[in-house]
Amino acid sequence: GAVVSQHPSRVICKSGTSVKIECRSLDFQATTMFWYRQFPKQSLMLMATSNEGSKATYEQGVEKDKFLINHASLTLSTLTVTSAHPEDSSFYICSARHPGQYTYNEQFFGPGTRLTVL
Amino acid sequence: AQKVTQAQTEISVVEKEDVTLDCVYETRDTTYYLFWYKQPPSGELVFLIRRNSFDEQNEISGRYSWNFQKSTSSFNFTITASQVVDSAVYFCALSENQGGSEKLVFGKGTKLTVNP
Repeated sequence: GAVVSQHPSRVICKSGTSVKIECRSLDFQATTMFWYRQFPKQSLMLMATSNEGSKATYEQGVEKDKFLINHASLTLSTLTVTSAHPEDSSFYICSARHPGQYTYNEQFFGPGTRLTVL
Repeated sequence: AQKVTQAQTEISVVEKEDVTLDCVYETRDTTYYLFWYKQPPSGELVFLIRRNSFDEQNEISGRYSWNFQKSTSSFNFTITASQVVDSAVYFCALSENQGGSEKLVFGKGTKLTVNP
């Protein structure tokens, strides 16, 4: 099956530092990847859609300058949380869109990255 | 706008009981997809099922079954003879197609606790 990995799985950082999270599709090429954020006991909220070779599309209310997304290759997208603050502490999940056989291009999810900002 | 409502925030049952998780959706699209995901305490999303809007057949997979009714915009999920390992948060989701890029809209989730 299609596998998506994320690194790191868990990160603790000091307020004001930047953190980079990687999302990789291991056995397929993904032209589109998605980044979600999930606060404790809440649902997954789409932050942005990452397209290989072009700028990411951000959802309303998500700061582009704070959450930098780079999709430099067909198997890797990165999310950088710049100048992180405690309110950015959350569970970040990526998904990669698999170019499937049928009309629907299924998303496969990574295991998530738990960010804690002190 | 697309919307997914999971009215049950938390459900607690005793092992071997049957339990149904409700999901109601709103969409203007005629073509859409519905999903159920399981999120155990580890956090990783586990895909359970995808159903497209043209297929209203109910589906059964082991102890799991799904009831899709377009007339009531519902896609309910039933676990038969629940087990402790079924304890998790379950999310219903709807795929909307905007400009060819399918985006998933999630419900708020239902936390299921199965007690021994």
